Amino acid sequence: AQTVTQSQPEMSVQEAETVTLSCTYDTSESDYYLFWYKQPPSRQMILVIRQEAYKQQNATENRFSVNFQKAAKSFSLKISDSQLGDAAMYFCAYKTLIQGAQKLVFGQGTRLTINP
Amino acid sequence: DAGITQSPRHKVTETGTPVTLRCHQTENHRYMYWYRQDPGHGLRLIHYSYGVKDTDKGEVSDGYSVSRSKTEDFLLTLESATSSQTSVYFCAITGTEYYGYTFGSGTRLTVV
Repeated sequence: AQTVTQSQPEMSVQEAETVTLSCTYDTSESDYYLFWYKQPPSRQMILVIRQEAYKQQNATENRFSVNFQKAAKSFSLKISDSQLGDAAMYFCAYKTLIQGAQKLVFGQGTRLTINP
Repeated sequence: DAGITQSPRHKVTETGTPVTLRCHQTENHRYMYWYRQDPGHGLRLIHYSYGVKDTDKGEVSDGYSVSRSKTEDFLLTLESATSSQTSVYFCAITGTEYYGYTFGSGTRLTVV
């Protein structure tokens, strides 16, 4: 079974600085998707960015980018120019491409604090 | 998010009572899921459905049952609530393998 590990329970960064959140996963599959979700205090789960495993190019969404290292099974999230609104729990998630299940497996989460 | 709603948003119940949480979608998506969120564990899959009357267990299914009699509704039932089932419950939907999920706003359940 696939597992996802986020080894940083908490992180903090100064406003306008850059922070990187770590995520590693374990799988024997060659094709899959990886995601980062943001959960602000409102509890809503918000998709931040996704990466298809067959794509070598790292995904980017405005200030958010990933460093996808397939061989190392690593999927880190970089947030540039951190803003107060980025404060939230961040979850890394893995999705198999095996037909039928379409299940997401989540990491434990990293709580990000932005210091003004 | 638009297209998926959960009810209730908050609930307090007593140990041993049955509880049903409802998830309703208007997206006509095939897949629906129930997760629970607990500190230090992230989100863990309870049950999921891949069609009307087609359901399967997730990693933490003990003490929970589900039903899906219509495409748009997915019910999660705690037959006899226990304090260990105090948690935040999320419903999610997906309609394609190319995207992540769309989540409901969650239900905070407290069993006293």
